[in-house]
Amino acid sequence: DIQMTQSPSSLSASVGDRVTITCRASQDISNHVAWFQQKPGKAPKSLIYAASSLQSGVPSKFSGSGSGTDFTLTISSLQPEDFATYYCQQFNGYSFTFGQGTKLEVK
Amino acid sequence: EVQLMESGGGLVQPGGSLRLSCAASGFTFNWYWMSWVRQAPGKGLEWVANINQGGSEERYVNSVKGRFTISRDNARTSLFLQMNSLRPEDTAVYHCARIDISGSTFDYWGQGALVTVSS
Repeated sequence: DIQMTQSPSSLSASVGDRVTITCRASQDISNHVAWFQQKPGKAPKSLIYAASSLQSGVPSKFSGSGSGTDFTLTISSLQPEDFATYYCQQFNGYSFTFGQGTKLEVK
Repeated sequence: EVQLMESGGGLVQPGGSLRLSCAASGFTFNWYWMSWVRQAPGKGLEWVANINQGGSEERYVNSVKGRFTISRDNARTSLFLQMNSLRPEDTAVYHCARIDISGSTFDYWGQGALVTVSS
């Protein structure tokens, strides 16, 4: 099975900051990576698919990059509503796995 | 508007069974693969199972193979998860999710149904 190692597990930042979250796959997965935002008690929300494509309706402050094994999610100009937990996810043609999550907290 | 609404969660004893349902609306249900994804309390997301558009192909995470069965009824635009031989480690919120047209990620999610396995 392909593992997704996500870092950091938690991150403290201030409103207006720019933050980056990374995911490393245990083998080459091309661009089959997505990113999700989840708030407490809510369903995950899709932000990015195919490593760098923005889901419809998602603000452009969210961006993704990477291919092969190393991927990043960048959030620019943090606003109060951006403080949440973020997950990466890979697809290897058969099954899906998620990273462990990054909890983004207010500093 | 795409909507996915789960039902059927609850408390069950270890070794017991439970059947989850997901009512889908707002899109052409039989065009899409569908999936179940779970989240144990305070933990991360774990993909559980997939089913293709016609219901002829199923895929499962290793930990539920032989115990869980995913199915669908396209006429009723509904997705199901039959869970047998339940274990305490199956305790989680189970989300129904639509797999996007590329087949590589989940674009819409339901709010989830809580399954608690405990004596």
